[in-house]
Amino acid sequence: GQQVMQIPQYQHVQEGEDFTTYCNSSTTLSNIQWYKQRPGGHPVFLIQLVKSGEVKKQKRLTFQFGEAKKNSSLHITATQTTDVGTYFCGRPFYNQGGKLIFGQGTELSVKP
Amino acid sequence: DTEVTQTPKHLVMGMTNKKSLKCEQHMGHRAMYWYKQKAKKPPELMFVYSYEKLSINESVPSRFSPECPNSSLLNLHLHALQPEDSALYLCASSHSRGEKLFFGSGTQLSVL
Repeated sequence: GQQVMQIPQYQHVQEGEDFTTYCNSSTTLSNIQWYKQRPGGHPVFLIQLVKSGEVKKQKRLTFQFGEAKKNSSLHITATQTTDVGTYFCGRPFYNQGGKLIFGQGTELSVKP
Repeated sequence: DTEVTQTPKHLVMGMTNKKSLKCEQHMGHRAMYWYKQKAKKPPELMFVYSYEKLSINESVPSRFSPECPNSSLLNLHLHALQPEDSALYLCASSHSRGEKLFFGSGTQLSVL
């Protein structure tokens, strides 16, 4: 269907540990977008992945798009308290007016 | 200017009230969106405007009425809301439909 399944729902880590969130789709994705929402804030765009097998890095964040373009992951190395928030993946539906539908999100908490 | 400005930031209204939420962007984006977000949930798409025309209505109740007076402005008119409509209402814009979204800081709405 329309959903992208995102896991885990919650992740609690000690500062310095790594963190990964996954998005999975039953259908091939045109592209996938990642957003971060800090507590009390609004979603902020992080990155868009388009190509099969694509890997992009932003400092300690590594984004991957699966070879089949059905799954994606966000990995944070050595988490910091500033990484706290909810991470959402989003998939656009170009055959439905380009609307963007979000996964359920992964809430990350970091214990100092 | 890469901001999407939403007003008011907070709104408390009774079930018989009429109020409006406002959103403005000056990035030249041609797609504008309304999302509704409940606590611990992802943003849920309500409406999409493209080139000032309503292109998507996600079966939203008629007590929510969107309006796009021009390419920079987006309003959401509220009338006879229910307590379950209490949520964070997020406006977003993108260069065109399906591209990365720029979100406003939202209006936290409480319906009494």
